[in-house]
Amino acid sequence: SQKIEQNSEALNIQEGKTATLTCNYTNYSPAYLQWYRQDPGRGPVFLLLIRENEKEKRKERLKVTFDTTLKQSLFHITASQPADSATYLCALDTSGGYNKLIFGAGTRLAVHP
Amino acid sequence: NAGVTQTPKFQVLKTGQSMTLQCAQDMNHNSMYWYRQDPGMGLRLIYYSASEGTTDKGEVPNGYNVSRLNKREFSLRLESAAPSQTSVYFCASSEVFSTDTQYFGPGTRLTVL
Repeated sequence: SQKIEQNSEALNIQEGKTATLTCNYTNYSPAYLQWYRQDPGRGPVFLLLIRENEKEKRKERLKVTFDTTLKQSLFHITASQPADSATYLCALDTSGGYNKLIFGAGTRLAVHP
Repeated sequence: NAGVTQTPKFQVLKTGQSMTLQCAQDMNHNSMYWYRQDPGMGLRLIYYSASEGTTDKGEVPNGYNVSRLNKREFSLRLESAAPSQTSVYFCASSEVFSTDTQYFGPGTRLTVL
């Protein structure tokens, strides 16, 4: 079955640094991968989608890479701010592009002033 | 424009009781989803509705039923609640059942004693 792994330990970084979160998967070749942000007590909020034929996608301070050979996606937040503190979830498509997503457990990011 | 709304926000049930979780979206989306989120685990898809009039099982459908009442509303029913169904339940919607952003509701925290 498909398996997604995200760093289970919290990532603590200093304000202004770049945060890098990792998402590794096995046993599937997803058509695309999404990243979501989740704050405590709230539902996930979509951030970025990257397709299997794209190497990199950017949105403001966010950058996502997708290496289908390594079966890995990296999520970067540059010039991080305390307001970026949240849990970040990766989700991959398991249905050949029909939006049936499998989510990782998420990585909690804490940005310290 | 409220997005995706869920009721109730919190619920405590006794084993064997039944209840229905309500979800509504005002974005005219075609597809709707129900997930559960447990500590240390990713969101898991329970049921989804690709379009009005259709429903299909997701990864963990046992113990649940759904109804796509109309284009706006998608309910999740627990016929005989069990402690293993203690979880946070999220409803989501997307414009189409394809490579598209999913918009999540605020969640329902359910405890089964």
